[in-house]
Amino acid sequence: ELKVEQNPLFLSMQEGKNYTIYCNYSTTSDRLYWYRQDPGKSLESLFVLLSNGAVKQEGRLMASLDTKARLSTLHITAAVHDLSATYFCAVGYSGSRLTFGEGTQLTVNP
Amino acid sequence: GAGVSQTPSNKVTEKGKYVELRCDPISGHTALYWYRQSLGQGPEFLIYFQGTGAADDSGLPNDRFFAVRPEGSVSTLKIQRTERGDSAVYLCASSSPGQDYEQYFGPGTRLTVT
Repeated sequence: ELKVEQNPLFLSMQEGKNYTIYCNYSTTSDRLYWYRQDPGKSLESLFVLLSNGAVKQEGRLMASLDTKARLSTLHITAAVHDLSATYFCAVGYSGSRLTFGEGTQLTVNP
Repeated sequence: GAGVSQTPSNKVTEKGKYVELRCDPISGHTALYWYRQSLGQGPEFLIYFQGTGAADDSGLPNDRFFAVRPEGSVSTLKIQRTERGDSAVYLCASSSPGQDYEQYFGPGTRLTVT
């Protein structure tokens, strides 16, 4: 059974600081997603990582994938309040179900 | 084009009642997925369709839950004899091979069983 673990589950940080969220998964897959969810809203896709060593960046967020270690990271650079949300990683195979982590609730304080 | 839509956005029902939740996927998307998200948790897979057929229904918690997609487009998730533990947000997603099966999520239906 595929398991996905994120840490930390809760993260409170100051504006301007850097931090990393970690996502570990237990068995092989061919893709890893990062999603953002605002309170009461649905999931917004941030990144899709398909291969070992993949790195994608969008604004202050950068995601990477190490398939050998079964580890993905989501790095936040110089956080701003607008990044406050819950971030999920999800793992699966093309066309098939996704298995989600528990989510990391990020709060960026002024 | 339009995204994934779900109706109703909110549904309150009494314990023991039957409910139907509808999902309208992005036009042309062949795959459709249902997930359930409880408060403070990540989405949990229920079932997915390729075309009209259920390709994997292993996430359905019990036989009170059933889903159909008769024409390969709109899908309905049906819950019989609802229980308070069924209260959650039900999310639908769709995907297409032409977009490498990236899953696009709808806004969800919040189901409350009283």
